[in-house]
Amino acid sequence: DTEVTQTPKHLVMGMTNKKSLKCEQHMGHRAMYWYKQKAKKPPELMFVYSYEKLSINESVPSRFSPECPNSSLLNLHLHALQPEDSALYLCASSQGTSGVTYEQYFGPGTRLTVT
Amino acid sequence: GDSVTQMEGPVTLSEEAFLTINCTYTATGYPSLFWYVQYPGEGLQLLLKATKADDKGSNKGFEATYRKETTSFHLEKGSVQVSDSAVYFCALRVNSGYALNFGKGTSLLVTP
Repeated sequence: DTEVTQTPKHLVMGMTNKKSLKCEQHMGHRAMYWYKQKAKKPPELMFVYSYEKLSINESVPSRFSPECPNSSLLNLHLHALQPEDSALYLCASSQGTSGVTYEQYFGPGTRLTVT
Repeated sequence: GDSVTQMEGPVTLSEEAFLTINCTYTATGYPSLFWYVQYPGEGLQLLLKATKADDKGSNKGFEATYRKETTSFHLEKGSVQVSDSAVYFCALRVNSGYALNFGKGTSLLVTP
């Protein structure tokens, strides 16, 4: 099973709302990632969790708040977003974070629209 | 820094045509190389990978060979199908790094 699941599939929220994106994997992977993808662009890394600890924050605004409750789950809490934050948010996981063989498996994404 | 350059397209081919999507890279050390595919409205799927020079990755009729001498990882398929229409991303990951460095993506449209 190489599946990463994400919920919801689509989300529309206002600029004053608080919402959360969820990601889950059951492959025993110890690294999980959040990416943001704008239309016709490649994914951009936002956060990396390794063994449930935040390892990388790519200078992401504080209105995005990641959380890793356990090794299988990754959340992204959203608050006071701007319309330019509208994008496809992709979750990924990998077996580890070092070495050459840890390919990343991506979920289907959450399509976020901020109104 | 580490980077990937790929032809941006769009590439339009007739069904059963031969496909080549060029990808070249710049990296310190010895990166692993990947091709991901993104179908409309979906996330990324790993298509194939190569972890060292002269490795050939293959999957679903697609192939790519890790060429260290030309720093390239070109994607090829002998006979494309309409169902291959998607965006293809070349990516690298250095040994010590967390992140994938993606190219800008190449949009492929295959017509009947």
